Amino acid sequence: GDSVTQMEGPVTLSEEAFLTINCTYTATGYPSLFWYVQYPGEGLQLLLKATKADDKGSNKGFEATYRKETTSFHLEKGSVQVSDSAVYFCALREDSSYKLIFGSGTRLLVRP
Amino acid sequence: EAGVAQSPRYKIIEKRQSVAFWCNPISGHATLYWYQQILGQGPKLLIQFQNNGVVDDSQLPKDRFSAERLKGVDSTLKIQPAKLEDSAVYLCASSLEGAAEAFFGQGTRLTVV
Repeated sequence: GDSVTQMEGPVTLSEEAFLTINCTYTATGYPSLFWYVQYPGEGLQLLLKATKADDKGSNKGFEATYRKETTSFHLEKGSVQVSDSAVYFCALREDSSYKLIFGSGTRLLVRP
Repeated sequence: EAGVAQSPRYKIIEKRQSVAFWCNPISGHATLYWYQQILGQGPKLLIQFQNNGVVDDSQLPKDRFSAERLKGVDSTLKIQPAKLEDSAVYLCASSLEGAAEAFFGQGTRLTVV
C-alpha cells in the first residue's frame, strides 16, 4: 500500500542555518502531499501542501516541491529560528479514498 | 470557524478497563479520521469515515477497538478492554469531501496503568 518515509531525527541546527528534511513516498495514484508540524504541547497543524506534480507549497518561510519523478517532497527553509523547533511530519492523501498516511516524524531542534 | 473538538484531553485507566473518546468534527466535514500516535512515532490511521460509512478500518484492532459515527457528525472511539500498549494520544481529524487538507483536534492522551 501507499507509504511515506522521512529522515530520522533529531536534526539539530544553529539559528539561521539552512534546513532540509527529506521525505519520499510510495503511491499508486496521484496523491496530495503535506507537511504537518507539531509544536511542543500542541496538536498537529498543516504547514504546507501540494496537490499535483511540480507544485510548490510554501508557508512561514518553509517550502517543499512535489517531485513526481523522484517521488519526493523535501521540506526546506533558508534560515531557521529557535521557534521552529518542533516535530515535522510528511504525509500523503490518496486521491481515490482520501486516506491520509503519515511518516514517522522528524524532530528539529534549533539552538540559539 | 470552530475547530475539531475532542474530549477528554487526558484519561488514565487501569488495564482491562474500558474507555471512550469523543470527537466533534468541523461543521460540514464529511470525512473523519481517528489516529493513534504512540510517543515518538507518527500518527497511525485507525479508522476513516465518509459521512457515517466506514472507508478504511484495516488497522483497527477490532477485537478491542470500536468506532461509530452516528448521523455522519460526531464520532466515538472505544477501547474494551484496554492494554498497556494502548497508551498513546488519540487524534481525531476531519476534512471536506474532496478537499486536500485535514484539520486535527488537540487529541486525547490515554495512559493505561
